[in-house]
Amino acid sequence: QSALTQPASVSGSPGQSITISCTGTSSDVGNYNYVSWYQQHPGKGPKLMIYDVTNRPSGVSSRFSGSKSGNTASLTISGLQAEDEADYYCSSFTGTSAPWVFGGGTKLTVL
Amino acid sequence: VRLVESGGGLVQPGGSLRLSCTASGFTFSTYWMSWVRQAPGKGLEWVANIREDGSERFYVGSVRGRFTISRDNAYNSLYLQMNSLRAEDTAVYFCATNWNYRFDFWGQGTLVTVSS
Repeated sequence: QSALTQPASVSGSPGQSITISCTGTSSDVGNYNYVSWYQQHPGKGPKLMIYDVTNRPSGVSSRFSGSKSGNTASLTISGLQAEDEADYYCSSFTGTSAPWVFGGGTKLTVL
Repeated sequence: VRLVESGGGLVQPGGSLRLSCTASGFTFSTYWMSWVRQAPGKGLEWVANIREDGSERFYVGSVRGRFTISRDNAYNSLYLQMNSLRAEDTAVYFCATNWNYRFDFWGQGTLVTVSS
């Protein structure tokens, strides 16, 4: 199972919106609505930001939203803040004997 | 919720290591659990998971046959026995709750370095 494809980096200014894409295949992202997104600050464990494509866990800012079209999922962060600067990873269920795959990660820089 | 990994360290190629993850703040016995690793400067890679009662286990292909995931619900603990270690197994290993098709909570990780 190959890793999901994410852009290596994205950037934006405070207050702007950015979108991070996550491209898989018809066997993972395209076949299940079980895409989740994680935020990771340096030296820390990841934090769940979005699950089941569009849902936000309790306590996660409404500035974070998710969507999916075909084999590509997306994470949008609106009203960028300095604290959003981090690495972001997508993940999808695959339904195989190795049931989880992650994306390669995207480094978000807030200019 | 708190997950604390331990057991990492430096090991020679071909050697073994056993990682532990101690859980608190939730009902451990009702959650699937996973190990996820991150090589230095690289992305996340799912390694293995185990059902609530330990009756089902799944592994990524690169570790199947070398790593064994297990748990002891009486001690709220998750384990990863790693044998025949290779340089490419060098990574920070995280334990995470794996419930309802997502990884809700993560530990801070423990570093495993495979080198001679």
